[in-house]
Amino acid sequence: GQNIDQPTEMTATEGAIVQINCTYQTSGFNGLFWYQQHAGEAPTFLSYNVLDGLEEKGRFSSFLSRSKGYSYLLLKELQMKDSASYLCAVRDSNYQLIWGAGTKLIIKP
Amino acid sequence: DAMVIQNPRYQVTQFGKPVTLSCSQTLNHNVMYWYQQKSSQAPKLLFHYYDKDFNNEADTPDNFQSRRPNTSFCFLDIRSPGLGDAAMYLCATSRDGQGAEKLFFGSGTQLSVL
Repeated sequence: GQNIDQPTEMTATEGAIVQINCTYQTSGFNGLFWYQQHAGEAPTFLSYNVLDGLEEKGRFSSFLSRSKGYSYLLLKELQMKDSASYLCAVRDSNYQLIWGAGTKLIIKP
Repeated sequence: DAMVIQNPRYQVTQFGKPVTLSCSQTLNHNVMYWYQQKSSQAPKLLFHYYDKDFNNEADTPDNFQSRRPNTSFCFLDIRSPGLGDAAMYLCATSRDGQGAEKLFFGSGTQLSVL
């Protein structure tokens, strides 16, 4: 079966750095997405990786290792508004999106 | 601004009473999706349209139906809602659902079943 694993919940301090990991086992690979979802709202796109390496976009960066089936989302200079769930999703060989359950990130002052 | 719009934002229905959720898009995207998401769970794909081609997920209950009368609109019909159908329903679009094409989501409809 296809599976995406993420930690259920993480806590970090305002101004700090946090890394949210995602491991996947899917039928083929056509890219990995990270989405942010605030409570009661829809997901919004953060990043896309299809090649190995680090993609940096402002305070957020995303890393991919296809050989390890592994990605992480790195959030720097954390702000209170970063409190949200972060969902990892992989596009498989049939271009279907396989979603993780998300990691709830709690930011403390 | 081009966007995906879902109505209503909150919907309350009674057990067994049919309900319809709506979604419209101004992005002119080919693909429209309906997801069900329960608290702290991954979004679950119910079905999607590529243009007029309807694709039903194998485990989507028959209680759920969908219509896409034109490019801009898509509807989710729940014929006889049960308590287990209470969830957030997310509509999303994608230009062609391939490669790096990301999904654009509407604000969602939170469905309560009494």
